[in-house]
Amino acid sequence: GAVVSQHPSWVICKSGTSVKIECRSLDFQATTMFWYRQFPKQSLMLMATSNEGSKATYEQGVEKDKFLINHASLTLSTLTVTSAHPEDSSFYICSAEATGNGELFFGEGSRLTVL
Amino acid sequence: GIQVEQSPPDLILQEGANSTLRCNFSDSVNNLQWFHQNPWGQLINLFYIPSGTKQNGRLSATTVATERYSLLYISSSQTTDSGVYFCAVRRVTGGGNKLTFGTGTQLKVEL
Repeated sequence: GAVVSQHPSWVICKSGTSVKIECRSLDFQATTMFWYRQFPKQSLMLMATSNEGSKATYEQGVEKDKFLINHASLTLSTLTVTSAHPEDSSFYICSAEATGNGELFFGEGSRLTVL
Repeated sequence: GIQVEQSPPDLILQEGANSTLRCNFSDSVNNLQWFHQNPWGQLINLFYIPSGTKQNGRLSATTVATERYSLLYISSSQTTDSGVYFCAVRRVTGGGNKLTFGTGTQLKVEL
């Protein structure tokens, strides 16, 4: 299957700082990537759809100024959590479609802890 | 939006046992995937199965799109099968190309 890679896997930061998470498609190009968030023992919730060369589309209730998404190339999307607070602590995971049939592949995820 | 319910929510098996996990969805879909989330959080693709039946080793899956459900079969379970199993679907209309995840089944396989 296609490979999607995220970095960093773990990040601990102080409240008020900003954190950037990268999502790369390693062996294919992705015009669209998706960012999900998962709280402990819960399902994955879509945060936003990242579109190469254009603005991201955010799901209802997701603050676009808090979660900045940039999709500058066909292989890289970034999620920046701005002015992070403890309630932003979560598992963030990205995905991309590789084959054109709609099948999505996911990165390893990034676990953010805000102190 | 589309509702995706999975059952059972929790399951404990003895190693070697078989099990069936179910995914019900509330609207027509053109994409259905099964994933295994390992203890480190990574989602492993198991099946891309919008309809029909597929098998991969000890795992198989069947989707009956007209009746809006999918089943994941695990045979001869092993401790490494432990984790959370998710189904995720994409609506035919109005859903764009985003996946909506089900509620998950937490599986624990014991020796």
